[in-house]
Amino acid sequence: NAGVTQTPKFQVLKTGQSMTLQCAQDMNHNSMYWYRQDPGMGLRLIYYSASEGTTDKGEVPNGYNVSRLNKREFSLRLESAAPSQTSVYFCASGHPGSYEQYFGPGTRLTVT
Amino acid sequence: GDSVTQMEGPVTLSEEAFLTINCTYTATGYPSLFWYVQYPGEGLQLLLKATKADDKGSNKGFEATYRKETTSFHLEKGSVQVSDSAVYFCALRLKTSYDKVIFGPGTSLSVIP
Repeated sequence: NAGVTQTPKFQVLKTGQSMTLQCAQDMNHNSMYWYRQDPGMGLRLIYYSASEGTTDKGEVPNGYNVSRLNKREFSLRLESAAPSQTSVYFCASGHPGSYEQYFGPGTRLTVT
Repeated sequence: GDSVTQMEGPVTLSEEAFLTINCTYTATGYPSLFWYVQYPGEGLQLLLKATKADDKGSNKGFEATYRKETTSFHLEKGSVQVSDSAVYFCALRLKTSYDKVIFGPGTSLSVIP
């Protein structure tokens, strides 16, 4: 039981490059989330997926797209990376109405 | 709007010292309240929770009481250990069209022997 896994762990991009962050969970959770963590700002929700086949914008969606590929997988895509997207990205999952969200180990992204 | 405020730290304590990390919130409706902990290089883990006023959440020697009158959820531990060194996040959850969780900025704690 791996919980929530994320790849890659680290990534450096040049401005304008694209990439996809991968997330998978093996806990049969319906809901999945993408957050970014910046110093002094806590975690901010980028996108979420309440169930397979649905996605919605969170607090800071600009510059990102997501895909809920199936119940297990939820990817985050940066089409044209910008330095302002330098951050640590966390994927999380949970059951709707449950109190706990389970977090992956994070991806540290630097855009130069 | 809905928000969480907590002391940002960093906080440095000696082993066996008493810990308090203050947390206050602003929310419409009746949120559930949480403390999450992030150890170095890891994701966040739920430490404790309280779902209604006057509830006390506790885990691993940490405690926090949901105070509706002061909109607070302060984290306390009577005797910290080096292994408690981590970043602590206060958070609230609102039941909207999705499970909306709002995190505070985090408080870094270092415990020295």
